[in-house]
Amino acid sequence: EPEVTQTPSHQVTQMGQEVILRCVPISNHLYFYWYRQILGQKVEFLVSFYNNEISEKSEIFDDQFSVERPDGSNFTLKIRSTKLEDSAMYFCASTRYRDKGETQYFGPGTRLLVL
Amino acid sequence: QQPVQSPQAVILREGEDAVINCSSSKALYSVHWYRQKHGEAPVFLMILLKGGEQKGHEKISASFNEKKQQSSLYLTASQLSYSGTYFCGPFLRWGYNTDKLIFGTGTRLQVFP
Repeated sequence: EPEVTQTPSHQVTQMGQEVILRCVPISNHLYFYWYRQILGQKVEFLVSFYNNEISEKSEIFDDQFSVERPDGSNFTLKIRSTKLEDSAMYFCASTRYRDKGETQYFGPGTRLLVL
Repeated sequence: QQPVQSPQAVILREGEDAVINCSSSKALYSVHWYRQKHGEAPVFLMILLKGGEQKGHEKISASFNEKKQQSSLYLTASQLSYSGTYFCGPFLRWGYNTDKLIFGTGTRLQVFP
């Protein structure tokens, strides 16, 4: 069964450094999402992406964050200057259509630790 | 805005039943249910659509009351594998080109032998 993949599985970085989290959505999916989950807390929406542009972003998704689909398969989340509070699990998700009945398929996540 | 789930935690013996409730202050077009095991990604369980259509898991059922903006997930004859945190994720359509899941507060379910 097709699945969303994410790399790396773990990332440790120093505060102020840039990180890029990578995702490969399911191949025939058109809508892409990033979510974040701080340890022990709920999953929070960050951003949705369609047709090479951001559809919607949350208040968490400030100027330090950016997303890109650099080629036909990858979808990336960049954090320009990481802060301690960016430490979290980051999940990528994708869906085929923008429809209330469509499932969002989640990747396994990247655990980011900012020191 | 965040959907509220109850109870916050449930402890069961194998074979027992449980109900998890999700309540939203916003009008719902659909409700998604996910289960997340510790350190893993949320895994889709079920979608309930406005109008009564339902998709989902063969051993788990759910209801969706559109007027009350509530959904309930029913776990019957629980198994050890049911342990995890359950999130409801109402689908809120914010605009023609945008969709996002706003996850609920979560219900931690623990099943013991």
